[in-house]
Order: sequence, then structure tokens, then C-alpha cells
Amino acid sequence: RKEVEQDPGPFNVPEGATVAFNCTYSNSASQSFFWYRQDCRKEPKLLMSVYSSGNEDGRFTAQLNRASQYISLLIRDSKLSDSATYLCVPPASNYQLIWGAGTKLIIKP
Amino acid sequence: ETGVTQTPRHLVMGMTNKKSLKCEQHLGHNAMYWYKQSAKKPLELMFVYSLEERVENNSVPSRFSPECPNSSHLFLHLHTLQPEDSALYLCASSQEGGGQEKLFFGSGTQLSVL
Repeated sequence: RKEVEQDPGPFNVPEGATVAFNCTYSNSASQSFFWYRQDCRKEPKLLMSVYSSGNEDGRFTAQLNRASQYISLLIRDSKLSDSATYLCVPPASNYQLIWGAGTKLIIKP
Repeated sequence: ETGVTQTPRHLVMGMTNKKSLKCEQHLGHNAMYWYKQSAKKPLELMFVYSLEERVENNSVPSRFSPECPNSSHLFLHLHTLQPEDSALYLCASSQEGGGQEKLFFGSGTQLSVL
């Protein structure tokens, strides 16, 4: 099993809809997680940090399920500007951030 | 917002060339990183410097040589690269470098090796 797995998508979602995707991990020692978004040909930018069971920021909710070893990202009332690739990052140990390959999201008008 | 700046944005080089990528962070961070991102693949950590000392080298070929003269600057020296080295090279910085904190990325250098 890969250390981090994400459905590559693309997820094609109509504007205003709710969309959710998961990220599974195999390193059970992970204590905190991050979601980054990356626009086409741009650098990743931090979207959310998750240090406990979950975090909510406006339209975005990130949740952690330790028993099943996955984290999720929920986007409500999706906007055209939410179109991007979403990268999951569960830190392992010292500097060894293991990144998912990302889930591509396309919001359609 | 340009907390981490990278130059050049694009680079085309032959396999016999020598070039350097430059990164500068203006965030007062203590750790800096080089990542490689190939199409549709996860980011690969190449090097990590914390307080100007290299603390991680992920079995990167010697044709990539990092240099960190101070906590604000990071270089990646390139020589005799191969076509498979073509990728987006990203510099990042973080506050502590312990693996638990947020990373701030530069805009990257899109490298093409001919």
C-alpha cells in the first residue's frame, strides 16, 4: 500500500454543489495533516491544517479518521475558483513529508 | 505576496550545461527545502536545510548539489543532467523544519533538459 493515496480525479462538479474527497495514509504515527491546493503550473499553497480530529474554515471542512486512516476534505457551495488540484499531506517523521499526488477538481458553471 | 522567491521561472539546458537555481525567503524561517514535482506524481523531497545545516538528503543523484549560505538563501546547482530530470523544482521554507509545520513555496522553476 502506498503511504498516501488520493483519487486523481478529475472530479467534475457543478458550481454551488458540495464535493468531498478522501486521502488514505499508511503511517499511523502521523499527528497532523495538511491540505494544500495547487493551481495549474503554480506552486502548492496551504489550504488547511488539521491537528486534531478536524478543522472547519468557511466553506471548507477537513476531518481525520484515525481508525480507518484517512482524512477528508469537504467543500460546500463550490465556486469556479475552487478548481485546482488538492494535495493531501500527512507528516511522517522529521522532514519526511509524504505527499499525495493530488485530486483534480473542476467546477463547472 | 512573495514570501519565497525563486529564479529563474523557466530554464532550458543541455545535458552538458551547468546551471543554478536560486531561492530566497523573506519570512524569517529557519528551514528551507528543495522539492521535485514531475507530471502527475507526488512532490519528492530532495534536500532539507535547518539552520543552514543539511538535515535530509533523499538519495538524490550527485548531479544535483545544494548550497545554503544562510537561512534566507538556498541554491540548487545542476550539472550533467538527464532528460528525466525535467520537472518543476520547488523551493519551500518553514518556521522550524521539524516536519510538523506548514510549508511556504516559491513559484518554482520549470526545468527542461534537452
